[in-house]
Amino acid sequence: SAVISQKPSRDICQRGTSLTIQCQVDSQVTMMFWYRQQPGQSLTLIATANQGSEATYESGFVIDKFPISRPNLTFSTLTVSNMSPEDSSIYLCSVEGDREWTEAFFGQGTRLTVV
Amino acid sequence: GNSVTQMEGPVTLSEEAFLTINCTYTATGYPSLFWYVQYPGEGLQLLLKATKADDKGSNKGFEATYRKETTSFHLEKGSVQVSDSAVYFCALVLLYNTDKLIFGTGTRLQVFP
Repeated sequence: SAVISQKPSRDICQRGTSLTIQCQVDSQVTMMFWYRQQPGQSLTLIATANQGSEATYESGFVIDKFPISRPNLTFSTLTVSNMSPEDSSIYLCSVEGDREWTEAFFGQGTRLTVV
Repeated sequence: GNSVTQMEGPVTLSEEAFLTINCTYTATGYPSLFWYVQYPGEGLQLLLKATKADDKGSNKGFEATYRKETTSFHLEKGSVQVSDSAVYFCALVLLYNTDKLIFGTGTRLQVFP
């Protein structure tokens, strides 16, 4: 299994500012995933972060808005840039348990409110 | 494309009632199917899974059977408890294809004593 620590757990931010969310895993993993969970909606994959390469973004998400770092096999950050109230969501970090996807592990999430 | 459709919630039940949460999927291939649960204030946890047709996943009294003919993976529990109150997500992944978890919209379950 994998234990994921995500920081901060919640934040209230002013529009136009940026917030960096950290994700620390207790074991080395190849791929890390960032999701957004908007109020009352499902999880939407933002991007996949591989160590040593640029993140792969899903349709509708761009690097300028959601820059991601992946400096090593246990850590990643997601930045939400130039925030607006529409960015208010829960942001989740996830890793796959193994290549067979027999289990995926999730952080507790970061609840972001933009005012 | 690949997608998961879940029944809308909230589902409100009394303790010891029977639970069904419907989940159907669309996939170009043979997906693995999952149910995840999100308890209040916590991250998602895997509840159960099934990797091929007719497999039954089970955990904590919950069951779901992978039905290829109806492209369904309905979640059931014979007798719910207050502690089962949570949001339940159905999800699929196409191994060695997109390799991404695709989630349904989630169904909130509220169980009252």
